[in-house]
Amino acid sequence: DTGVSQDPRHKITKRGQNVTFRCDPISEHNRLYWYRQTLGQGPEFLTYFQNEAQLEKSRLLSDRFSAERPKGSFSTLEIQRTEQGDSAMYLCASSLDGTGGQPQHFGDGTRLSIL
Amino acid sequence: KNEVEQSPQNLTAQEGEFITINCSYSVGISALHWLQQHPGGGIVSLFMLSSGKKKHGRLIATINIQEKHSSLHITASHPRDSAVYICAVHNFGNEKLTFGTGTRLTIIP
Repeated sequence: DTGVSQDPRHKITKRGQNVTFRCDPISEHNRLYWYRQTLGQGPEFLTYFQNEAQLEKSRLLSDRFSAERPKGSFSTLEIQRTEQGDSAMYLCASSLDGTGGQPQHFGDGTRLSIL
Repeated sequence: KNEVEQSPQNLTAQEGEFITINCSYSVGISALHWLQQHPGGGIVSLFMLSSGKKKHGRLIATINIQEKHSSLHITASHPRDSAVYICAVHNFGNEKLTFGTGTRLTIIP
């Protein structure tokens, strides 16, 4: 069990640029979740996948955000035309089961700073 | 109003003290999670419970489903316990977690 891996750990970019984050879940986990956490707040749900299918997207996920999990393994989260308000920690988690019967395992997150 | 409320928001205690962090939620849940987040962001799952009580080392988690309330206790607290503790719930029929805002715990040597 190598854990959930996220890359990069930190990303600093100018407003208006596009950024892409990667998440590698625990290999046998079919559920993969993306959350966003702003300073002093708890994480908020963005979207989740069961294998390669994206099953739910939060209202927080504007049309500038897109997530993929093309082969049901790793996932990418892309933000286009970044804005100051996108500055946050982006967390990825994976689990064997999505119904509350299994814990979610979290990565260390990608911290995005928009200049 | 957040569906998951934690108290206190911040807690500072002396090493060795008994710590209690509370979590209340407003909807029916299938499971409740207690998570620990250290500076730098990584989140570790401490407990997942749907009834009763669980214990792991110096940590104890309890849940009262009827009262929609859970507590996390730390016995013989240590400076290395300093972290943000987050309560999160799985609502019935919903795969995502809904999180509280966290409790920042600082243990002073």
